[in-house]
Amino acid sequence: SYELTQPPSLSVSPGQTARITCSGDALSRQYCFWYQQKPGQAPVLMMSKDTERPAGTPERFSGSSSGTTVTLTITGVQAEDEADYYCQSVDIGGTFWMFGGGTKLAVL
Amino acid sequence: QVQLHESGPGVVEPSQTLSLTCSVSGDSISTGDSFWSWIRQPPGKGLEWIGYVHSTGRANYNPSLQSRLLISVDTLTNQFSLKLNSLTAADTAIYYCARVSGGATTPWGQGTLVTVSS
Repeated sequence: SYELTQPPSLSVSPGQTARITCSGDALSRQYCFWYQQKPGQAPVLMMSKDTERPAGTPERFSGSSSGTTVTLTITGVQAEDEADYYCQSVDIGGTFWMFGGGTKLAVL
Repeated sequence: QVQLHESGPGVVEPSQTLSLTCSVSGDSISTGDSFWSWIRQPPGKGLEWIGYVHSTGRANYNPSLQSRLLISVDTLTNQFSLKLNSLTAADTAIYYCARVSGGATTPWGQGTLVTVSS
């Protein structure tokens, strides 16, 4: 079965840069989307089609893609960025959607 | 502004069928480019895609749930629904409905907690 792999956790200090990766064989051919989820809240779209920042997403969030790995970068992390981040994509055939396991970002 | 709202029972007995409805406002469910999706999240765990339906009725399901799942759409009431049978404790989760447009899942409903328990 197809999977998207994310690091379970990441810790950064305020003002530093956080890079959250998502790896999967299909990512070289399919887009990746990123969601932020804070405790007790529904997920919110933060990045679309690897690199497109939706309206409302702060400019410190950016996306990049290289081969089978897509990266969500937060430049100048703020305390409010502490959350769980999930990547989402589809299999190579474009049929079955899936989420990565999620990365818990701690801002220490 | 598009809003989605899930409704259904908070508790379902094991082996029974879960029925959830998602009410959509601010957008027509018949919008050709959109799909309407269900996602769930067990307590303290990650997100799991359940499936989606198009306004035409065409649906696509997570293979791990396909044998127990039915997702349907009602364009007259601007709602779509989920039915999941043969429930076990492993189906306990927050269930979210959401719109998918251009591949992006947004917005999401607030979610509804479903507990499978006798």
